[in-house]
Amino acid sequence: DAGVIQSPRHEVTEMGQEVTLRCKPISGHNSLFWYRQTMMRGLELLIYFNNNVPIDDSGMPEDRFSAKMPNASFSTLKIQPSEPRDSAVYFCASNPGGGPGSPLHFGNGTRLTVT
Amino acid sequence: LAKTTQPISMDSYEGQEVNITCSHNNIATNDYITWYQQFPSQGPRFIIQGYKTKVTNEVASLFIPADRKSSTLSLPRVSLSDTAVYYCLVGYNTDKLIFGTGTRLQVFP
Repeated sequence: DAGVIQSPRHEVTEMGQEVTLRCKPISGHNSLFWYRQTMMRGLELLIYFNNNVPIDDSGMPEDRFSAKMPNASFSTLKIQPSEPRDSAVYFCASNPGGGPGSPLHFGNGTRLTVT
Repeated sequence: LAKTTQPISMDSYEGQEVNITCSHNNIATNDYITWYQQFPSQGPRFIIQGYKTKVTNEVASLFIPADRKSSTLSLPRVSLSDTAVYYCLVGYNTDKLIFGTGTRLQVFP
């Protein structure tokens, strides 16, 4: 099992540019979560999907952020336009769903720097 | 959603047992208690999970009293490589799983 795969590992971009972060969850996992981590705010849940359907996006900071899950094996988090305050590590996680107590499996994250 | 409270940081020495307690006063009947470990530049990693009483695996033990309003992660004989941030989460797997501030454990030689 390859685990949750995120790409790119690092992204440096200029303010105003569009940024797309990618995630491949573990095969067979029904739930997918996007988190953002900063020193100031810790780990924040942005959005989560269940069976490819967005369930709760109340953590998405603003309209500049959008997330999609076109199929069970792929999700994207897009920031357009990016701003310096978006600089953070973005994590994707998945779990099997459908039953109690399934732990989250995290990817190694994408470190985003917006200059 | 159950809110969790943990100490911000703890220090220990190699070989000692470390106990980290998490408070979750408004835990719901269906909620599980899950602990994660995070090293720098990595995503959090599952350590242990329980619903009630005691759970033990090759890495840690988890103690949960009868009222389930708190839980204690016990790491036996810590080593330098156990230096990390430890998070306690409470919820059902389909919930929006919220991480608290975590406990930063520093192990000294």
